[in-house]
Amino acid sequence: GQQLNQSPQSMFIQEGEDVSMNCTSSSIFNTWLWYKQDPGEGPVLLIALYKAGELTSNGRLTAQFGITRKDSFLNISASIPSDVGIYFCAGQLEGRSSGGGADGLTFGKGTHLIIQP
Amino acid sequence: AAGVIQSPRHLIKEKRETATLKCYPIPRHDTVYWYQQGPGQDPQFLISFYEKMQSDKGSIPDRFSAQQFSDYHSELNMSSLELGDSALYFCASSRDPGNTIYFGEGSWLTVV
Repeated sequence: GQQLNQSPQSMFIQEGEDVSMNCTSSSIFNTWLWYKQDPGEGPVLLIALYKAGELTSNGRLTAQFGITRKDSFLNISASIPSDVGIYFCAGQLEGRSSGGGADGLTFGKGTHLIIQP
Repeated sequence: AAGVIQSPRHLIKEKRETATLKCYPIPRHDTVYWYQQGPGQDPQFLISFYEKMQSDKGSIPDRFSAQQFSDYHSELNMSSLELGDSALYFCASSRDPGNTIYFGEGSWLTVV
């Protein structure tokens, strides 16, 4: 099955710093999604990407769908304490762009973001 | 805005017992997905339904079954529970396959 390599596994940063994380895959995905998960809670959608090369922003978050459709990155600018959590990338084979079925998401292993005061 | 509703939020069962989890998708969403997340793990896709028909199947054990009903809610039935089934089970929904997928708060299953 498909696998997503997400890095880094964890990040220790100072408040106010910018953050960058990425996911790569050996397979092509038609949709890339970025979620944030707090302990014991469900993943919350941050950004959805449907088109190769697409660059999308949501406040301090920016994500891009790689042109090869095998990678994506997420940047967080000027981090604040509430950014702490686990960030997951997720890829979907059949997505809106291909009009396909309800394929399940393949998740990366997550990036633990820890912000030091 | 209404979100994906899951019940129960917490469930404790003994080995070999049966458990049923329920999921109520966001209104007008016709696609439902089930995921299992073990401690410290990423969510693993189990199964999905579109318009009450099974759409995709992931790593769902044969002991588990699921269905989507006419009102689009879904139930995940787990039988002969094992200790390893202890996990957080998420339901997610979307309006048509491939549209943005939203997750519920999850149901904690503990098997003792």
